Amino acid sequence: DAGITQSPRHKVTETGTPVTLRCHQTENHRYMYWYRQDPGHGLRLIHYSYGVKDTDKGEVSDGYSVSRSKTEDFLLTLESATSSQTSVYFCAISETQGYTDTQYFGPGTRLTVL
Amino acid sequence: GDSVTQMEGPVTLSEEAFLTINCTYTATGYPSLFWYVQYPGEGLQLLLKATKADDKGSNKGFEATYRKETTSFHLEKGSVQVSDSAVYFCALSEIGTDKLIFGTGTRLQVFP
Repeated sequence: DAGITQSPRHKVTETGTPVTLRCHQTENHRYMYWYRQDPGHGLRLIHYSYGVKDTDKGEVSDGYSVSRSKTEDFLLTLESATSSQTSVYFCAISETQGYTDTQYFGPGTRLTVL
Repeated sequence: GDSVTQMEGPVTLSEEAFLTINCTYTATGYPSLFWYVQYPGEGLQLLLKATKADDKGSNKGFEATYRKETTSFHLEKGSVQVSDSAVYFCALSEIGTDKLIFGTGTRLQVFP
């Protein structure tokens, strides 16, 4: 257990509304990630963070923004949700073990945009 | 860019059967390789990993060997159980960035 929680776990919203998902970790990890999971695509990286206020884009960042004002929290915001953003969202942290960085995942947030 | 290809599922087996899920990759250099498992309604759990050629990762009876000659990391288990029913993801860690590149996942269904 890497001490990762996500909130909310489920959310239904309407097209055009803003949505913020929260990822919280308790073990002071520097690197945090947001992925989305869709059938036929596996997991795809949206944004990641390598420290407080340090973030960068991933493979599918359009329509998403992130913020990290504290080490323990990494927020994902959909400024104006669209139906194509209906997905399951996973947060992850990276832990260095020897010479390898290994990512551990939170339980996920299922988002439905109507 | 780097990529991971997994066999399409579902893979359907009877309990105690032998399991192989194929995974091949394309990458620059020799990335670390991972298998993650996702049980219904849950997040991804690390199942095993290998960091260099010829390394064998193992956990819970599952094994995978890093084969640089064939750029493969096939997952095997000698005798599956109903409780192994899940979706299995192969992934590599992109050299220089440590970003994970995932395959599309393979669903395993084990029947008694």
